[in-house]
Amino acid sequence: DIQLTQSPSFLSASVGDRVTITCRASQGISSYLAWYQQKPGKAPKLLIYAASTLQSGVPSRFSGSGSGTEFTLTISSLQPEDFATYYCQQLNSYPLFTFGPGTKVDIK
Amino acid sequence: QLQLQESGPGLVKPSETLSLTCTVSGGSISSSSYYWGWIRQPPGKGLEWIGSIYYSGSTYYNPSLKSRVTISVDTSKNQFSLKLSSVTAADTAVYYCARLGIAIGLGVDVWGKGTTVTVSS
Repeated sequence: DIQLTQSPSFLSASVGDRVTITCRASQGISSYLAWYQQKPGKAPKLLIYAASTLQSGVPSRFSGSGSGTEFTLTISSLQPEDFATYYCQQLNSYPLFTFGPGTKVDIK
Repeated sequence: QLQLQESGPGLVKPSETLSLTCTVSGGSISSSSYYWGWIRQPPGKGLEWIGSIYYSGSTYYNPSLKSRVTISVDTSKNQFSLKLSSVTAADTAVYYCARLGIAIGLGVDVWGKGTTVTVSS
């Protein structure tokens, strides 16, 4: 089974900060990785798929990069509505997949 | 715009079977471009994929739940369903139904709002 780890698990940041979240896979998954944002009491929202492709309607301050075993999600300038929990998801063994444990982004 | 809506009992007794249905509106479940799936989230915890189904009936299950899970599709009703047997308190969670793009790497682009299921006597 492919395992995902995310770092950090929690981060505190201010509006306007550049934020980077890392997701690591236990084995190579090419570019088969997605990122989601989840706010309390809401369903997750797809931000990025295929490691770096922005989902339609998602602001351009979000970007993704990486391949193989290491991936990053970057928010170039954190906005108030971006405080949420972010999950990565590996899709290498699609349509079987797993999620990372999540990174909570909180207000400093 | 495609919408997904979960329905089913919010309370299930231990050892019984959890049954949920997802109704697809604004689009056809018989589209060849998508899988349909179930994902759950225990209180305060992360996301766990349960399984996926294609409109033809092909199923794919999380190995850790495979012995207890059945996912089925009813194309005439534009619905798919989840059955999870022998539930315990550990199965208490918000259950989401979801749409997955057929091509590898596309991810889950449409989610239901989620339904809370509590396992308790």
